Amino acid sequence: GQQLNQSPQSMFIQEGEDVSMNCTSSSIFNTWLWYKQDPGEGPVLLIALYKAGELTSNGRLTAQFGITRKDSFLNISASIPSDVGIYFCAGVTNTNAGKSTFGDGTTLTVKP
Amino acid sequence: NAGVMQNPRHLVRRRGQEARLRCSPMKGHSHVYWYRQLPEEGLKFMVYLQKENIIDESGMPKERFSAEFPKEGPSILRIQQVVRGDSAAYFCASSPRGLDGGTDTQYFGPGTRLTVL
Repeated sequence: GQQLNQSPQSMFIQEGEDVSMNCTSSSIFNTWLWYKQDPGEGPVLLIALYKAGELTSNGRLTAQFGITRKDSFLNISASIPSDVGIYFCAGVTNTNAGKSTFGDGTTLTVKP
Repeated sequence: NAGVMQNPRHLVRRRGQEARLRCSPMKGHSHVYWYRQLPEEGLKFMVYLQKENIIDESGMPKERFSAEFPKEGPSILRIQQVVRGDSAAYFCASSPRGLDGGTDTQYFGPGTRLTVL
């Protein structure tokens, strides 16, 4: 089946630093999604990407859909303590309509 | 506009009992998806339903698990004769249309945490 490799698995950074995480796959996806999950809650959609090469921002977050359609990255600029959480990438293909394949997450810790 | 609602938030069952998890999609959403999450792992797709139809159940275990999304009422994920390995967080998501290359995305509920004793 399809798999997403998400890295790094965890990050410990100082408040104010920038963060970058990425997802790669051997399969092509038509949509890339980035979610944040807080403890005890469901994932919350941060950014959705629908076209290869697309670069989209949402406040301090920026994500790109790789040209090959097999990868995506998420950047967080000037991190703050409330950025703490688990970030997941997810890919959707036309042939698996309705089915998102998730990475295993990047756990972000921000030290004040 | 209320988001996706799931209940119960926490469910404790003994081995051999049945677990019923409910999901009410966002208003106007007719597509529902169930995912399972084990600790420190990502979400794993289980089943995709539209009203009264199962579209994709490729992630569902062959036995003991079933799902439905009736014309009226919430979607139900049912686990019969639960075992300890069923302990996990179960998330429901909904979308207004299927994710077939369009611009719709899934919105997740808060999850049901199932513990099997």
